[in-house]
Amino acid sequence: AQRVTQPEKLLSVFKGAPVELKCNYSYSGSPELFWYVQYSRQRLQLLLRHISRESIKGFTADLNKGETSFHLKKPFAQEEDSAMYYCALGAGGYQKVTFGTGTKLQVIP
Amino acid sequence: EAGVAQSPRYKIIEKRQSVAFWCNPISGHATLYWYQQILGQGPKLLIQFQNNGVVDDSQLPKDRFSAERLKGVDSTLKIQPAKLEDSAVYLCASSLIQGRNTEAFFGQGTRLTVV
Repeated sequence: AQRVTQPEKLLSVFKGAPVELKCNYSYSGSPELFWYVQYSRQRLQLLLRHISRESIKGFTADLNKGETSFHLKKPFAQEEDSAMYYCALGAGGYQKVTFGTGTKLQVIP
Repeated sequence: EAGVAQSPRYKIIEKRQSVAFWCNPISGHATLYWYQQILGQGPKLLIQFQNNGVVDDSQLPKDRFSAERLKGVDSTLKIQPAKLEDSAVYLCASSLIQGRNTEAFFGQGTRLTVV
């Protein structure tokens, strides 16, 4: 069975401070990890995926198979980063995607 | 490119009534997903279609929920009869291909309230 855990429901940081949104997963096979974001009144959308190893809007995430983690990081938070962030795990030949419970990031001006 | 379209946006029904949601995926997208998102929780996959065939419906409460995807394009999700605990946002998503690291594009969702 696949499982995604996001331990923080709410994370509040000041503008300019570093951000780390935690994500741990459980899956016996080779996982595909994603971060999705939902800004206020907008639809859920992909932020980044681990295989791309890219930085999107200043965010990066590294897959750590030893710790089964895929934490999302940004060195300097901006007000426009305030949103709900969901970690997701894709698995199996049909890419069944399981989401975590989400973390609300609140950037304080 | 037009996004995933869902209707209605909001629906209020009484328990034991039936309700149906409609989804039109992005043109050419073979994979279609229905998710249920209860307040305070992450999206939970109810059913996944590949073209017009079901590839995963392990979390679909089949005694009351049903879904179909006619001709591998539009899809409908039905609840009959509804229960109070079905109150949630129902999200439809689609992706271009099946396989690793495929991005899913989401609709705006239908917010269902069962009273």
